[in-house]
Parts: sequence; structure tokens; C-alpha cells
Amino acid sequence: EIVLTQSPGTLSLSPGERATLSCRASQSVSSSYLAWYQQKPGQAPRLLIYGASTRATGIPDRFSGGGSGTDFTLTISRLEPEDFAVYYCQQYVTLPLTFGGGTTVEIK
Amino acid sequence: EVQLVESGGGLVQPGGSLRLSCAASGFTFSTYWMHWVRQAPGKGLVWVSRINSDGTSTSYADSVKGRFTISRDNAKNTLYLQMNSLRAEDTAVYYCARGVTVATISPCVYWGQGALVTVSS
Repeated sequence: EIVLTQSPGTLSLSPGERATLSCRASQSVSSSYLAWYQQKPGQAPRLLIYGASTRATGIPDRFSGGGSGTDFTLTISRLEPEDFAVYYCQQYVTLPLTFGGGTTVEIK
Repeated sequence: EVQLVESGGGLVQPGGSLRLSCAASGFTFSTYWMHWVRQAPGKGLVWVSRINSDGTSTSYADSVKGRFTISRDNAKNTLYLQMNSLRAEDTAVYYCARGVTVATISPCVYWGQGALVTVSS
């Protein structure tokens, strides 16, 4: 099983600041089949990024993904009030599919 | 508009059974792989199971293998999760989800609102 470790657990930032989230895999994620999701309380997850760096339809360009192999990042260039949420990475190529434990981006 | 609507959640005793349904609309259901993902209260997301477009290929997380069965009825545009021998640790919100594309390897872009399953005596 590919274990995904997200860091930090919590990120305390102010609106307008840059957020950098990390997702490290216990083994290489084939062909960068790595996705990022945003989840707000009481809501279903929302797909942000797939293929490590492709934005899903309707996702603002302040969200960007990068990385390959075992190290991936999600960057939010300038935090908007609606971006404060929990973010999960997921590898969707190797069974069992796995999610990271999540990073909470909270208002400082 | 793509819609996924789960139903069938509720309170069940340990060792009991429950069947979740996910009614799909707004897309050609029979062409997409479908998934179940769960989230225990206050915890993270956990992938549970997936099924291919015609129902002939299924996969499960180790934690539910042998107890849960995923299936689909393409004529009714409905996905199912039969859950047997339920344990307290199965308590969670269960989401059904659809991939971005019809390909096997695809993240989940459309999600239902979730169905809460509580296993308790």
C-alpha cells in the first residue's frame, strides 16, 4: 500500500498569503497519478488538481500542483477567505487507492 | 447536471447489515467506473471500493474485503454497497463518487452528499 504523508498538519496563514502543502509518498506514484482535494465542514470533497498538476474544471489559477515520483506540492498563491479548509492528496493508480491524512489551512 | 444521491444510511447494531444506494443522473452512468469513499467523524478520507463500468471488476480496501460488496444496476443508474458484519469502526459518512473520465485511472470529480452509517448497540 502506498502511504501518503501530508505536512504540515495545520497551516496558519492570513488572507493574501501563499500556502505550500506537501504530500510525500512511501513509494513512487506511477505517472504522477496524484490528486488534490479541498473539503469544507459538512461538504463533500472537491477535486482541485489531478495528474499532479492539471487543474480540474472551474478551479481558479491561484491553485497549482507540482512534483513527481514521491514528492508533490499544492500551492495556493494568494489565499482567499474561501480557501480556508482541509486539503487531501490521493494517489489513484495503485490499489488500494489511498489518501493522505490531510492538511488544515486555518486563518491566522 | 451530474447528480449523485446516496440513501440507505442509518443506525445498525454491530454484526448487522445495511445496503447503501447511490442514484446517478446527468451522465451516461454505464460508461463510468464508480467508487465508494468513507469518512469517520472528524477523520480523513478513506477509499472503500470501486467497480468498473459493466460491473465485472471490483476492488476493495483490506478493511472491508469479505464484508462489503459493491455492485451496480446500469438499467437503474444506481450504485450499491452491501455492508455485512458491520463493526463500530465502520461508522462513517459514505460517499459515492465518479471519475473525471471513463478511464480506469481517474480521480473522483463528482461526489454525492454522503450517507451516514452509525454502528452502535
